[in-house]
Amino acid sequence: EAQVTQNPRYLITVTGKKLTVTCSQNMNHEYMSWYRQDPGLGLRQIYYSMNVEVTDKGDVPEGYKVSRKEKRNFPLILESPSPNQTSLYFCASRGTGNTDTQYFGPGTRLTVL
Amino acid sequence: QKEVEQNSGPLSVPEGAIASLNCTYSDRGSQSFFWYRQYSGKSPELIMSIYSNGDKEDGRFTAQLNKASQYVSLLIRDSQPSDSATYLCAVKRPGIIFGKGTRLHILP
Repeated sequence: EAQVTQNPRYLITVTGKKLTVTCSQNMNHEYMSWYRQDPGLGLRQIYYSMNVEVTDKGDVPEGYKVSRKEKRNFPLILESPSPNQTSLYFCASRGTGNTDTQYFGPGTRLTVL
Repeated sequence: QKEVEQNSGPLSVPEGAIASLNCTYSDRGSQSFFWYRQYSGKSPELIMSIYSNGDKEDGRFTAQLNKASQYVSLLIRDSQPSDSATYLCAVKRPGIIFGKGTRLHILP
């Protein structure tokens, strides 16, 4: 089954404690991205990756890091989380054809105290 | 000017009627446009994509694109209570950029 998986699904942590949210896809997609979704602000892109070792900033990259060492994985790293990073996070992937569909993971609800 | 703009709603439509959702975008060079549906707490799911001017129909859904006016719309015919959700308009930039969404409420 084609899917994008994220872990963990729910996480409560404290300010400053480094964390990683994993994202993996089994569709051999070149393109992967991370979004955060906040009430009233919609889905905002954090980072995206066009292929292995190629990453670029989205609209709200501050406070986040990513890496793309393998095609299937695109982890999101918060080196020093702060309460304003409390949000619902989605990973997504798609092929690079013009008509390729973007698939979303199930989401990770992060709370930073 | 925001890249993708939508009316936040809520838009209330009686069951069986036509729901009309609208979106404008700022980048005149955009070529690919999408409508996603998102239920509360769930991930977005693609319901329509459109790449050329005109209408594209898929079941009860019709997407309309007017590149000259930088306008995309989604029509839902014979609206059902299960259509109650937030509808997100998105544009490929190369990242996929989303509007804030329109909440649609179908009244039984």
